[in-house]
Amino acid sequence: DAGVIQSPRHEVTEMGQEVTLRCKPISGHDYLFWYRQTMMRGLELLIYFNNNVPIDDSGMPEDRFSAKMPNASFSTLKIQPSEPRDSAVYFCASSPFHEQFFGPGTRLTVL
Amino acid sequence: KNQVEQSPQSLIILEGKNCTLQCNYTVSPFSNLRWYKQDTGRGPVSLTIMTFSENTKSNGRYTATLDADTKQSSLHITASQLSDSASYICVVSAGNTDKLIFGTGTRLQVFP
Repeated sequence: DAGVIQSPRHEVTEMGQEVTLRCKPISGHDYLFWYRQTMMRGLELLIYFNNNVPIDDSGMPEDRFSAKMPNASFSTLKIQPSEPRDSAVYFCASSPFHEQFFGPGTRLTVL
Repeated sequence: KNQVEQSPQSLIILEGKNCTLQCNYTVSPFSNLRWYKQDTGRGPVSLTIMTFSENTKSNGRYTATLDADTKQSSLHITASQLSDSASYICVVSAGNTDKLIFGTGTRLQVFP
């Protein structure tokens, strides 16, 4: 198995632009998580899904952030409009139950 | 408030030496505690997962301990190698969900 796949690996965009991050979880994992990591705040859970259904989105910072999971093999995290303070590494992780497997992350820079 | 605190924030040791990283948590109800290793530019990788009834678990040169009474955990690294240089993150799972509370990590550097 290739593990959790994220794309793109790096994204540089200008303030105000829409950004879409993509994730393909490990096949058979029922849980999918989106995290954000910054030097100041460490890893923060944004939202997680169970069987494609959003369970807890209390970590989503504001309405500019949205996440979808249209099927068991794909999820997106969208930021619209993006702001410089959104610059961070965004991780997707999937889990069969307890143990979470992280993807390589997407490094987002908003200028 | 559910919190996970780690110490030290950073640590430098020489190759071949042992070291111990600390984690204190105030999470209720407690489900399990995990230690992750995160290499620079990579995603975290799980080292150990311990439930309430487990007080020690090993993964090669890594040994984690858990004291559920004092709400403390430690990660001991034996005979450190250069490849151990990474951030080590303590994570506690609360309740019946898989929602994780992350510590801010300990940055370990191993020098030859």
